[in-house]
Amino acid sequence: NAGVTQTPKFRILKIGQSMTLQCTQDMNHNYMYWYRQDPGMGLKLIYYSVGAGITDKGEVPNGYNVSRSTTEDFPLRLELAAPSQTSVYFCASSLSGGPYEQYFGPGTRLTVT
Amino acid sequence: QQQVKQSPQSLIVQKGGISIINCAYENTAFDYFPWYQQFPGKGPALLIAIRPDVSEKKEGRFTISFNKSAKQFSLHIMDSQPGDSATYFCAATKIQGAQKLVFGQGTRLTINP
Repeated sequence: NAGVTQTPKFRILKIGQSMTLQCTQDMNHNYMYWYRQDPGMGLKLIYYSVGAGITDKGEVPNGYNVSRSTTEDFPLRLELAAPSQTSVYFCASSLSGGPYEQYFGPGTRLTVT
Repeated sequence: QQQVKQSPQSLIVQKGGISIINCAYENTAFDYFPWYQQFPGKGPALLIAIRPDVSEKKEGRFTISFNKSAKQFSLHIMDSQPGDSATYFCAATKIQGAQKLVFGQGTRLTINP
């Protein structure tokens, strides 16, 4: 049982480039989340999903897109990278009908230059 | 605005002492208040959580105190150990539906041996 896995661990992007951050969980959780963590700012919710085919915006969705075609996978897409998207990105998952613990992945450190 | 304010930003405590971190929230609809612990290079992990129907919850050396009327809650770490050195985040959410966590800004705790 690997829990929540994220790839890549680190990435450097040039302004305007695109990339997809991968997130997979093997706990059969319905709920999945993407957060970004900036120094001194805590974690902020970007997008979340309550099940395959269902996604919704969180607090800071601008510049990002998501999809959820399976229960296990919840990729985060950056279309036109900007320096403001330099951050550490965490994917999390939880059971539904809570409250249940959100299990976080190890994070992806992204730098946009 | 759904905001959670956390203080202090950083805290240094001697081994064996008591570490206290405070949080305040604004949204009275929040009904679940977890604390997450994060070690460098790792994702956050649930430490302890409380619902507003109780004023205190204790798990080992960790205690949450909750003051519903003041909309404040705090984490107390008794007999603090060097292994407790980490960043701590308070959070708040509504249990019903997707549990969209609203995080505080985080407290970097250092326990000196």
